Amino acid sequence: EPEVTQTPSHQVTQMGQEVILRCVPISNHLYFYWYRQILGQKVEFLVSFYNNEISEKSEIFDDQFSVERPDGSNFTLKIRSTKLEDSAMYFCASRGDRGGLFFGSGTQLSVL
Amino acid sequence: TQLLEQSPQFLSIQEGENLTVYCNSSSVFSSLQWYRQEPGEGPVLLVTVVTGGEVKKLKRLTFQFGDARKDSSLHITAAQPGDTGLYLCAGKITQGGSEKLVFGKGTKLTVNP
Repeated sequence: EPEVTQTPSHQVTQMGQEVILRCVPISNHLYFYWYRQILGQKVEFLVSFYNNEISEKSEIFDDQFSVERPDGSNFTLKIRSTKLEDSAMYFCASRGDRGGLFFGSGTQLSVL
Repeated sequence: TQLLEQSPQFLSIQEGENLTVYCNSSSVFSSLQWYRQEPGEGPVLLVTVVTGGEVKKLKRLTFQFGDARKDSSLHITAAQPGDTGLYLCAGKITQGGSEKLVFGKGTKLTVNP
């Protein structure tokens, strides 16, 4: 069964460092998303991406965040200068023309 | 800001019991989805409901979308320990050409053998 793949599963970084979280969405999907979940809190929307551009972004997705689809398979989330409060589980998701989202297993980001 | 309130937040029951969890909002959604999330994993889609009043069944799980498309319920019949998990509802908001899901905080269900 096709699945969304995220790497790494865990990332530990120092405050102020840049991190890149990687995702390989399901191959025939066209819509891509990043969500995050701070421990014990709800899943929060960060950004949606379609046709090689951002469709919508939340207030969380400030200038420190960027997304890129560098080739036909990868979808990345970059945080330029990490803050302590960026510590969370980051989920990538994709979908086809219709239906619900397929989520990856997440990258647990810990900022020290 | 669109908020989805889920209740109860925690539910612990015995195997064989029935239960209902609720998802309520003051906002209207184009569709509503239910997900189940295991610890350390991403949410897994269970069902999408689109039409007001729609009822969908998935084995022992029955999902209902409110007539006004602002609320939904999930009913589990004869719960089993394998049903243990975090159940999330998510409302789809479509604006122009973009869309996003707004999640509730979830109901953490524990089914004891």
